[in-house]
Amino acid sequence: IAGITQAPTSQILAAGRRMTLRCTQDMRHNAMYWYRQDLGLGLRLIHYSNTAGTTGKGEVPDGYSVSRANTDDFPLTLASAVPSQTSVYFCASSLTSGGPGDTQYFGPGTRLTVL
Amino acid sequence: AQSVTQLDSHVSVSEGTPVLLRCNYSSSYSPSLFWYVQHPNKGLQLLLKYTSAATLVKGINGFEAEFKKSETSFHLTKPSAHMSDAAEYFCVVILNNAGNMLTFGGGTRLMVKP
Repeated sequence: IAGITQAPTSQILAAGRRMTLRCTQDMRHNAMYWYRQDLGLGLRLIHYSNTAGTTGKGEVPDGYSVSRANTDDFPLTLASAVPSQTSVYFCASSLTSGGPGDTQYFGPGTRLTVL
Repeated sequence: AQSVTQLDSHVSVSEGTPVLLRCNYSSSYSPSLFWYVQHPNKGLQLLLKYTSAATLVKGINGFEAEFKKSETSFHLTKPSAHMSDAAEYFCVVILNNAGNMLTFGGGTRLMVKP
């Protein structure tokens, strides 16, 4: 593994179903993030984790949950998917969580369609 | 509060001509600013970043950006466009007192004509 990996690459999901998007990084970064990308809106932060064992809410957290049991993994769960959660989801990580200008590195994304 | 505005949703240039992608920000504090590029069906790649050092920042692939505090701008430029530059570009701002919270502009799609 090199950098950040996300799985699945894409998924079509029926509304009401539960779904977990996986994210793994091998850079030993402390901080990790989940974003969703929608046309014309750029990327919006869903949840973040500054270090293993802690999580926080971003700009659009409703309908999503995360956990950070260890440094490498940061799964994003949709407990009951709705069509408005159709989007492309990006996981990112950074070495630290507080440094101004700390660079975030992005995974390749997961394209999710909720019908 | 912080926000970032990319003034053009689409920019079209001919190969070999200059590129200008415009970005303005609003911030109550001294910001850090980034430009990321996203090629089709790919993740985001950092082009360059400004963190209160030199106001003219050089990035990868010949891109550069100039931080102008008086104009609250951070426009991205390149002297000569290549076909491989065709992509979506995002201007991103982070407050120096807000840790790692990024705010993205809406994106500018750059098209390069042969």
